[in-house]
Amino acid sequence: KAGVTQTPRYLIKTRGQQVTLSCSPISGHRSVSWYQQTPGQGLQFLFEYFSETQRNKGNFPGRFSGRQFSNSRSEMNVSTLELGDSALYLCASSQTGPNQPQHFGDGTRLSIL
Amino acid sequence: AQSVTQLDSQVPVFEEAPVELRCNYSSSVSVYLFWYVQYPNQGLQLLLKYLSGSTLVKGINGFEAEFNKSQTSFHLRKPSVHISDTAEYFCAVSGHSGGSNYKLTFGKGTLLTVNP
Repeated sequence: KAGVTQTPRYLIKTRGQQVTLSCSPISGHRSVSWYQQTPGQGLQFLFEYFSETQRNKGNFPGRFSGRQFSNSRSEMNVSTLELGDSALYLCASSQTGPNQPQHFGDGTRLSIL
Repeated sequence: AQSVTQLDSQVPVFEEAPVELRCNYSSSVSVYLFWYVQYPNQGLQLLLKYLSGSTLVKGINGFEAEFNKSQTSFHLRKPSVHISDTAEYFCAVSGHSGGSNYKLTFGKGTLLTVNP
């Protein structure tokens, strides 16, 4: 069974640009969550999607958005990038949600110049 | 609101020594508890979970943890560590409050360094 796949693995952008990150969950998993990981703030919850609906959202500005498709694949978008958005973005999936163990991808390392 | 405190940001130990990584949580509702491990340039991997039942849970790679409801703790232990256990360890809590859905909250992490 394939694990959670995140693309791309590395990304370099400049301030003001926008970026889209992709996550393919484990087959059969309907819940996808996104996290931002930085040395200073640690792992912070961005949002969770289940069956194409956003069920929960963390405390991030509206520049951070996401969506989930009918095949459970998910994308997150960050617009008007800032230097502080440099981070490792992790995606995790499970069958029903964060009450279950999460299966994580290896992340997308986003660097803002 | 829920929160997780990992009391040690770094724990250095010698190979074959025992180790305990401490975790305390706060939540107004019943919770599920997890420990994850992260190796460099990788995502997180589940070590063990407490969902219900026995308060002593065993995980992969010889790790175990004990849920203590009165002390709101979920400390991770291993009787004898190996060099390969060097990694960052995260404690996490998932709770459900009122009409909101479950949300997973992580501690800041503990870097375990095993020296020869």
